[in-house]
Amino acid sequence: DQQVKQNSPSLSVQEGRISILNCDYTNSMFDYFLWYKKYPAEGPTFLISISSIKDKNEDGRFTVFLNKSAKHLSLHIVPSQPGDSAVYFCAAERAGGFKTIFGAGTRLFVKA
Amino acid sequence: EAQVTQNPRYLITVTGKKLTVTCSQNMNHEYMSWYRQDPGLGLRQIYYSMNVEVTDKGDVPEGYKVSRKEKRNFPLILESPSPNQTSLYFCASRRGSGNYNEQFFGPGTRLTVL
Repeated sequence: DQQVKQNSPSLSVQEGRISILNCDYTNSMFDYFLWYKKYPAEGPTFLISISSIKDKNEDGRFTVFLNKSAKHLSLHIVPSQPGDSAVYFCAAERAGGFKTIFGAGTRLFVKA
Repeated sequence: EAQVTQNPRYLITVTGKKLTVTCSQNMNHEYMSWYRQDPGLGLRQIYYSMNVEVTDKGDVPEGYKVSRKEKRNFPLILESPSPNQTSLYFCASRRGSGNYNEQFFGPGTRLTVL
């Protein structure tokens, strides 16, 4: 049973436009949601997080939105740049816990 | 430079031949974890450690062992590897629990079991 789902395996966006990556979860007990970015031949790197008590967190070009009633979060990248081309993983955790549940990932292609 | 290192980066082995993948971090992090990445499944947690001599199973622990004798090291041991353990493995570390702390990942180890 996948508790964190990323239903789009890939997404292609034109440079300068908005990229929207989506993630759904089933466990309402999660306290934190995170996005990690992964380039080929490298480990994932942390991008942005959001607490379950908030509905938006922004960091430069990256904004994460959380809709708890729909158990849905999304990552917005504006404007998209070719260097943003990577695999993006959505993840979730409980506070004080040690387990991180990752989604399957979405590969983003940003075309110049 | 703060980092998580893994060795080897690439390994091809045969079924049943014991192997160890090493992981080391230089950030004095209490928490360390091992993940495997498979197509369509994302990252799945194998084992994690909250501190020295404290380890616990993640979601896919079968066929793996770990140990945490020192804070900086967290080796992953495959006593009798099988082809279904062919995967990309990542070690990660972070500060202790409480409020969320980001995980720092190693560069990955690509393992092929023939």
